[in-house]
Amino acid sequence: EVQLVESGGDLVQPGGSLRVSCAASGFTFSRYWMSWVRQAPGKGLEWVANIKEDGSEKHYVDSVKGRFTISRDNAKNSLNLQMNSLRAEDTAVYYCAREPTMSYYHSSGHYIDYWFDPWGQGTQVTVSS
Amino acid sequence: SSQLTQDPAVSVALGQTVRITCQGDSLRSYYASWYQQKPGQAPIVVFYGKDNRPSGIPDRFSGSSSGNTASLTITGAQAEDEADYYCSSRDSSSDRRYVFGTGTKVTVL
Repeated sequence: EVQLVESGGDLVQPGGSLRVSCAASGFTFSRYWMSWVRQAPGKGLEWVANIKEDGSEKHYVDSVKGRFTISRDNAKNSLNLQMNSLRAEDTAVYYCAREPTMSYYHSSGHYIDYWFDPWGQGTQVTVSS
Repeated sequence: SSQLTQDPAVSVALGQTVRITCQGDSLRSYYASWYQQKPGQAPIVVFYGKDNRPSGIPDRFSGSSSGNTASLTITGAQAEDEADYYCSSRDSSSDRRYVFGTGTKVTVL
């Protein structure tokens, strides 16, 4: 069974740091891009960051650039998100998600489909004094 | 970065059809993926790309796209379809960032 399990969520003070992790199982972890997506209380989904299969490429949403660092350990099938200089607005459930892709040719050209599947159950990060 | 806009809420009578729309410039370049989220649960993908429904997702869920608008249609809505629905797409061709839609709450009456 393909599964993602997050851990590490906690209550942390503004300006503090926290590292959340995601353990992957049931698939070849090293063959997929991986993402973190968060959801603030009562709000919608926000994509946060992702990392290439070999860790050589990383991308972030503007609001976390310079504060968050995504990393992975393919030997341990784990994904991490180091969060520094945390703010109240970082309070959210943090989900990890796999990024499958599908490349194909259609009459109108070459396409690549992107989606997130599966998702973990999420880990709660609360930033408050 | 791009934005994807969805209607905040829609309602549908049991067994009827409802269409959820998602608008944004990124949809001119990339197909959307669609996610269903029920209270207290993680999202699950219900449709993605030009015409792909994951295994286990009922065939009453379908998707379409035209210009800057993507749509998810539920044909013959069931009580268990009541949930929040989010669209998503790649944000740009220059790097592999993503954007999510604002979300639509679907109520089945």
